Amino acid sequence: DTAVSQTPKYLVTQMGNDKSIKCEQNLGHDTMYWYKQDSKKFLKIMFSYNNKELIINETVPNRFSPKSPDKAHLNLHINSLELGDSAVYFCASSQGGSTNEKLFFGSGTQLSVL
Amino acid sequence: QKEVEQDPGPLSVPEGAIVSLNCTYSNSAFQYFMWYRQYSRKGPELLMYTYSSGNKEDGRFTAQVDKSSKYISLFIRDSQPSDSATYLCAMSASWGYQKVTFGIGTKLQVIP
Repeated sequence: DTAVSQTPKYLVTQMGNDKSIKCEQNLGHDTMYWYKQDSKKFLKIMFSYNNKELIINETVPNRFSPKSPDKAHLNLHINSLELGDSAVYFCASSQGGSTNEKLFFGSGTQLSVL
Repeated sequence: QKEVEQDPGPLSVPEGAIVSLNCTYSNSAFQYFMWYRQYSRKGPELLMYTYSSGNKEDGRFTAQVDKSSKYISLFIRDSQPSDSATYLCAMSASWGYQKVTFGIGTKLQVIP
């Protein structure tokens, strides 16, 4: 069974469109994250939620809005997509609140903005 | 200066070689050190995890942390073609809901 699953795997869209990426984890973890991996393969945190509460919000344009309907789900909605948003977006989860942050990643959503 | 520096490679080695991968960092608050392996078109997966300074061994993999030098290493013994992947170092500060900071990753190719 997939521990952290995200959909879609690939997303090709035009500039200016609005799109969403969904993520679900079945590990019973309390904390979920969105990471962005750019063309240079640099992996950077965007958001983190713990039990549906936003706890990390890095310097991300407000066109990006995460939503966590419950602790097993964390979705990412992106408004007015720009060329620079093209990247691979990874969802991750961790136990949270413990002495380490072992992250479990999904397979990624490759977003291409044309 | 980036918080975590890592040579992106690529690094090509023959099968059976010992591989050494390294990262340096600038934030002295980092206490938890991790190595993730990422295969092409996949998400990173945790390989090794170390708290503070010292060594940790797991099969063919050894992680070393030298906090005084702000330097961490991952050694792979008897490297196999299946080890071909990108290896990302990662680190975080004190416990809690801290963010994990990643290096850019070193692409490793083990040639049969």
